[in-house]
Amino acid sequence: QQQVKQSPQSLIVQKGGIPIINCAYENTAFDYFPWYQQFPGKGPALLIAIRPDVSEKKEGRFTISFNKSAKQFSLHIMDSQPGDSATYFCAARAGETSGSRLTFGEGTQLTVNP
Amino acid sequence: KAGVTQTPRYLIKTRGQQVTLSCSPISGHRSVSWYQQTPGQGLQFLFEYFSETQRNKGNFPGRFSGRQFSNSRSEMNVSTLELGDSALYLCASSLAWEYGELFFGEGSRLTVL
Repeated sequence: QQQVKQSPQSLIVQKGGIPIINCAYENTAFDYFPWYQQFPGKGPALLIAIRPDVSEKKEGRFTISFNKSAKQFSLHIMDSQPGDSATYFCAARAGETSGSRLTFGEGTQLTVNP
Repeated sequence: KAGVTQTPRYLIKTRGQQVTLSCSPISGHRSVSWYQQTPGQGLQFLFEYFSETQRNKGNFPGRFSGRQFSNSRSEMNVSTLELGDSALYLCASSLAWEYGELFFGEGSRLTVL
């Protein structure tokens, strides 16, 4: 019940395409859903995050869509660029008492071809 | 503002040895958490410290331990190393323990031979 399922495992798109990465969860106690981007040799960096009272959030070219009833959320990258090639992780937190304890998805390796 | 600093960046140990990893959080951040990243298990939460107190602990054996100092710097220790402990160990800092917004360091890459 603590798991976050992420798909696809890998994704290849052309420059300008809109890659979509999906995550699903079971634990209804999850109250915070961040997305992290990780480049090789670097630590994950927070991209964008959403809370369940909002259905969509945009920051620059990155958009999170959230479907509370389906317990699913997804990341869309508009006008993708080769520099977006990285591994993306969704995550979830089960309430403030969980503090910094995030449950991460398995990750999606995105390749954006020029 | 300097980011999260982890040392050492790379280290090689043999089975049975112990290792200590260090983390300096972003200035002003009082919460430090540790994660293990492996290709097979992904990112897994180890523990979190706030005001020198362990606030949360993941499902790892007692060989994994940590502590936080009064200046918010943190260390984690792994004793009696096993081959399966080979991983990237990531430290993350946060403004306060109830905040979910984490800032990760670049990690310490541990190889156990």
